[in-house]
Amino acid sequence: KQEVTQIPAALSVPEGENLVLNCSFTDSAIYNLQWFRQDPGKGLTSLLLIQSSQREQTSGRLNASLDKSSGRSTLYIAASQPGDSATYLCALKGSRTSGSRLTFGEGTQLTVNP
Amino acid sequence: ETGVTQTPRHLVMGMTNKKSLKCEQHLGHNAMYWYKQSAKKPLELMFVYNFKEQTENNSVPSRFSPECPNSSHLFLHLHTLQPEDSALYLCASSQMQADHYYEQYFGPGTRLTVT
Repeated sequence: KQEVTQIPAALSVPEGENLVLNCSFTDSAIYNLQWFRQDPGKGLTSLLLIQSSQREQTSGRLNASLDKSSGRSTLYIAASQPGDSATYLCALKGSRTSGSRLTFGEGTQLTVNP
Repeated sequence: ETGVTQTPRHLVMGMTNKKSLKCEQHLGHNAMYWYKQSAKKPLELMFVYNFKEQTENNSVPSRFSPECPNSSHLFLHLHTLQPEDSALYLCASSQMQADHYYEQYFGPGTRLTVT
């Protein structure tokens, strides 16, 4: 059974700092990996999706990497801003034929202080 | 409206009440999902519908009853809930084609409190 772990559970940084959020998984046979952002009491917003054949994806100040062999993904946020404060979730899709199932981590709660 | 909408945004109900959560997607997708997000736990998939047919039921208690009248609307009917059912209930939708489910888009959620 796939297990997804996100460390740290919470992170507080000053504005402007570059930071890395970590996601590890136990089964390297994945189809894709997705990073989401969740603001308090709200739904999920998809940030980046990496297919299993890709090594990284970039969008603005965000860069997500995927290393299947080590069972890890990182989300790099450059020049953090207070508006980046949210919970960041990673989710995996096991295979093309695993249907809709996404396995989520518990998330990292990020606070960027002005 | 665009995207995925959910109503109500907040709901407080007693254990003997019956209520329903509503989700509507305006993205032209054909698959819809209910998730439960409890404090300190990962999101849990509850139900999946594609083309109005239920394709997954992740061992959800019968006090939760989903309904999908068409590919744009999804309901979650609630009755005789327990306090531990208090959580954020998220709806999502995606396109499904040839057994492949594409990227999921989430609604803002309904914060449910069972007293």
